[in-house]
Amino acid sequence: DSGVTQTPKHLITATGQRVTLRCSPRSGDLSVYWYQQSLDQGLQFLIQYYNGEERAKGNILERFSAQQFPDLHSELNLSSLELGDSALYFCASSGRQGSSTDTQYFGPGTRLTVL
Amino acid sequence: AQKITQTQPGMFVQEKEAVTLDCTYDTSDPSYGLFWYKQPSSGEMIFLIYQGSYDQQNATEGRYSLNFQKARKSANLVISASQLGDSAMYFCAMREAGGFSGGYNKLIFGAGTRLAVHP
Repeated sequence: DSGVTQTPKHLITATGQRVTLRCSPRSGDLSVYWYQQSLDQGLQFLIQYYNGEERAKGNILERFSAQQFPDLHSELNLSSLELGDSALYFCASSGRQGSSTDTQYFGPGTRLTVL
Repeated sequence: AQKITQTQPGMFVQEKEAVTLDCTYDTSDPSYGLFWYKQPSSGEMIFLIYQGSYDQQNATEGRYSLNFQKARKSANLVISASQLGDSAMYFCAMREAGGFSGGYNKLIFGAGTRLAVHP
């Protein structure tokens, strides 16, 4: 158990809908990252938050948005869903004080299926 | 541009034998970190081992070791005494820059190698 929690574990929805994925980082970690894993694109970085502020953006679509709250949990919002958005979405966390490697620990993932 | 290459889509090994999974990387940043993650069929991503670009010695974590050859830009994962539970996808990843807390620390992943351990 990495200490990172994600909900829900599975999500099935229809095209055009909007969903919210939730992540709680490991205790003490300040950074939260979101990654998308799909068969055709592999594992891709979407966005990073550090202590409530957006720190870096990757290949994140404009239909997707994220935020990190004062209690450091994060939410990834996916809207106007398309079939191609079906993927495994991972949250990872790092940034614990004193860490010399800033290793990212991953949550169990949310498997999104868009029908 | 930063890139991770894993040239072995699939590997198999006999139980109790050692196996090497290849990883090469490309970066112009002198400070970077290299990671290996394991993804079993259940889907979670499990951190295995880390190697910093300035580390003088190869990293080891139990049965996992990293064969780091900086000049060749390779960071191969060696699993000794393979077990049936080692059957999984293995991903090599790179983080540019120093990895300080709060930094721009995104990971770039390779395509992965699927390892099958046979009894």
